[in-house]
Amino acid sequence: ETGVTQSPTHLIKTRGQQVTLRCSSQSGHNTVSWYQQALGQGPQFIFQYYREEENGRGNFPPRFSGLQFPNYSSELNVNALELDDSALYLCASSFQITANEQYFGPGTRLTVT
Amino acid sequence: KQEVTQIPAALSVPEGENLVLNCSFTDSAIYNLQWFRQDPGKGLTSLLLIQSSQREQTSGRLNASLDKSSGRSTLYIAASQPGDSATYLCAVMNSGGSNYKLTFGKGTLLTVNP
Repeated sequence: ETGVTQSPTHLIKTRGQQVTLRCSSQSGHNTVSWYQQALGQGPQFIFQYYREEENGRGNFPPRFSGLQFPNYSSELNVNALELDDSALYLCASSFQITANEQYFGPGTRLTVT
Repeated sequence: KQEVTQIPAALSVPEGENLVLNCSFTDSAIYNLQWFRQDPGKGLTSLLLIQSSQREQTSGRLNASLDKSSGRSTLYIAASQPGDSATYLCAVMNSGGSNYKLTFGKGTLLTVNP
């Protein structure tokens, strides 16, 4: 157990809908990173948040957006869902923005039909 | 752009065998390398983290080595057990400007047969 929690565990959405995924960081961690893991692939970096600001983004379109709150919890929002958005979404928290170990939550499985 | 490759993609061994999983990366300017285990449909469990200044890390039956200059890491599993069956992922941490992000390989699917 890393102390990082994610909700919901699973959800099913229809193409074109919007979804919000949530992540609660490990106590004392102020940096959250989000990753997408498609079936049979390794996780891919979506973006990172540090002290409520986006701090770097991977190769994902603007319809993927996020928020980080004063308590350092975070949300990932995806608009206009596409079938290819079906994946396991993982968040990871770390202490400060430096190259420290990232601690992963259990993930949210999103299915888009 | 960092690329991580894991070989083999899948491996099936009898119980008790020692085995080696391989990971290679293209950009040697890494901060650390981490090995994860992932059970089907589950999240990631961190196994070992090697800082860029280190050569290896050990935890129980697991030993991971790092050769940063050649862009290679190996995960050695001794006396494999059926419970070791899972996908093993290698990830390296690089700086992407102001952030530090992990780049993952696609994983090695390990099956240990009783």
